[in-house]
Parts: sequence; structure tokens; C-alpha cells
Amino acid sequence: AQSVAQPEDQVNVAEGNPLTVKCTYSVSGNPYLFWYVQYPNRGLQFLLKYITGDNLVKGSYGFEAEFNKSQTSFHLKKPSALVSDSALYFCAVRDISSSNTGKLIFGQGTTLQVKP
Amino acid sequence: DAGVIQSPRHEVTEMGQEVTLRCKPISGHDYLFWYRQTMMRGLELLIYFNNNVPIDDSGMPEDRFSAKMPNASFSTLKIQPSEPRDSAVYFCASSFATKTYYNEQFFGPGTRLTVL
Repeated sequence: AQSVAQPEDQVNVAEGNPLTVKCTYSVSGNPYLFWYVQYPNRGLQFLLKYITGDNLVKGSYGFEAEFNKSQTSFHLKKPSALVSDSALYFCAVRDISSSNTGKLIFGQGTTLQVKP
Repeated sequence: DAGVIQSPRHEVTEMGQEVTLRCKPISGHDYLFWYRQTMMRGLELLIYFNNNVPIDDSGMPEDRFSAKMPNASFSTLKIQPSEPRDSAVYFCASSFATKTYYNEQFFGPGTRLTVL
């Protein structure tokens, strides 16, 4: 079965420090991976995606993610965290279990807390 | 583009009442998704449509929930009768397909439903 795991419920980091939010996946075949961010009382916003090509994907707001096929991971990173990055982050993988592949499988989410 | 539009943004109702949530997807998108988010269960996919046709409704909790998409620009999620455990934030999202189906979903702002 396809799945996505975000092993940390919460990540705490000081402003200006690098941040990493972890995601691992389990799919058969080539994964299509996504990161979303949710600010309080808002809908999810797309950050970035990996389809194919360069393992390092750059996205919105200075975020990037590294696809690692051998470790089945797609960790979200940012070189220097901002207090405004504090939010809930979701990793997702495209469900390819059926012929109609519009569905995404989301992880449980990781709360990122950036302290001044 | 205005993005995905949901109405109402907030709904407070009493147990046993009918609730109708509305969604207008982004023009040109051919996939529409309904999600529910709670603290206990996280983000759950309820149902999704492709070209106005329901594809997967396995996430609909029970017969009290129903969803329709009468045309490409409008969808409803109805709960009848509503119960307190239906209290949640309900999100609508849309996306469009290409040959490789890897397009991200765009989320609306959500409807916060409270059933007393």
C-alpha cells in the first residue's frame, strides 16, 4: 500500500537557523511528491513538487526539498528560518494505485515552530 | 484568478439540521476534491470528481454525507442530518490533469462547521 510518513509532530528551530521537516514515502513505481503549507485558519498552499529530474527541488518562500530514492525520503529544507515560516507542513504523494491518478495521499502534518 | 471559492466560511447549526457546503473550483480544472480536517483525524479525503463524475467516495463517512457536481464550476457537500461529530473544517480543492497527472491541488479557504 502507498503511504507517506512524517515522523515528527513538531519541529522547533531558532530564527536564522536551517530547518528540516522530514518525510518518507512508500510507493510502487516512480513517486510524485509534494509539499504543502497551512497557516492558521487558512487552506493548504502548494510549496513544491518532485516529478522527475534534479533531486533538489526549489519552491516558494525559499523552501527546497531533496528527493532521495534510496532512503525513500523527501525532506523539506530551508537554509535560514523565519518566524513567519511557523505553520503546519504536509507532505503528499500521488496515488497511483488506480488508473485515475488525481488523488494525493497526505501525511499527518508537522508543526514548525520558529522562535525569535 | 480568484482561486477556489468556498461558501459559507463559517457555519453553526444544530444537531439534526441539514448543512450544505459549496465550492467553485478554478476555471479549467477538471478534478475537484472534498476534504475534512480535524485535530483528531487530521486531513481526510472524502470524495473526488473528475470531469464532474464521482471517482472515489470511499472516504465519505456514512450515508448522511452526499456530494454532487452538477457542472464544471460548482459542487456541493451535504450533510443530512448533521451531528456534533461532523464539526470540522471542510476544504475543497481543484486541479487539472495532463498526460502525466502530476499537477498540484489548489485548496480553498475552507468552511468551519460547528454542529451544536
